[in-house]
Amino acid sequence: DQQVKQNSPSLSVQEGRISILNCDYTNSMFDYFLWYKKYPAEGPTFLISISSIKDKNEDGRFTVFLNKSAKHLSLHIVPSQPGDSAVYFCAAVGGKLIFGQGTELSVKP
Amino acid sequence: GAGVSQTPSNKVTEKGKYVELRCDPISGHTALYWYRQSLGQGPEFLIYFQGTGAADDSGLPNDRFFAVRPEGSVSTLKIQRTERGDSAVYLCASSLIPGNTEAFFGQGTRLTVV
Repeated sequence: DQQVKQNSPSLSVQEGRISILNCDYTNSMFDYFLWYKKYPAEGPTFLISISSIKDKNEDGRFTVFLNKSAKHLSLHIVPSQPGDSAVYFCAAVGGKLIFGQGTELSVKP
Repeated sequence: GAGVSQTPSNKVTEKGKYVELRCDPISGHTALYWYRQSLGQGPEFLIYFQGTGAADDSGLPNDRFFAVRPEGSVSTLKIQRTERGDSAVYLCASSLIPGNTEAFFGQGTRLTVV
């Protein structure tokens, strides 16, 4: 049973535009969420987090939005850069981290 | 150390052999996690430690898999009688405390069972 889902396996965006990566979860008890970025042959790198007491958290070009009633979060990257091309994972904290399947972002110059 | 370190970075072993994968967490981090990742999938939880004890080992697929953290820092994941289906990247992460804090990952060990 997949508790955290990223339904888009891939996303292609033009440089300078906004990238929006989506994530859905099923367990309303989750109260902390993280986004990770992964390049090939490297471990995931922490990007940004959000607590369920907030609905938005911003760090430079990266903003995460949380909609608790919809059990949905999204990561916005503005403006997108070619170096952002990577696989992005969302994760929910339930003791351990529970990951989605990932979305591969490709930013075209 | 500065980050989470995993050794070896690559391991090729024959079916049926025993392997050990090592993880050195960030100094002072009490929580340590093991995951494995297959191509095109997200990291799959195996086990996590709080200090020396396994707080949750519900992700270990069967009794061929075992992990220890005897002194609350370095951890070893042990796989007996390896099978070709065990081939994956094994990831280790650590966090200051378990729960609502960021976990930092090592670069992973790519295990190939031939």
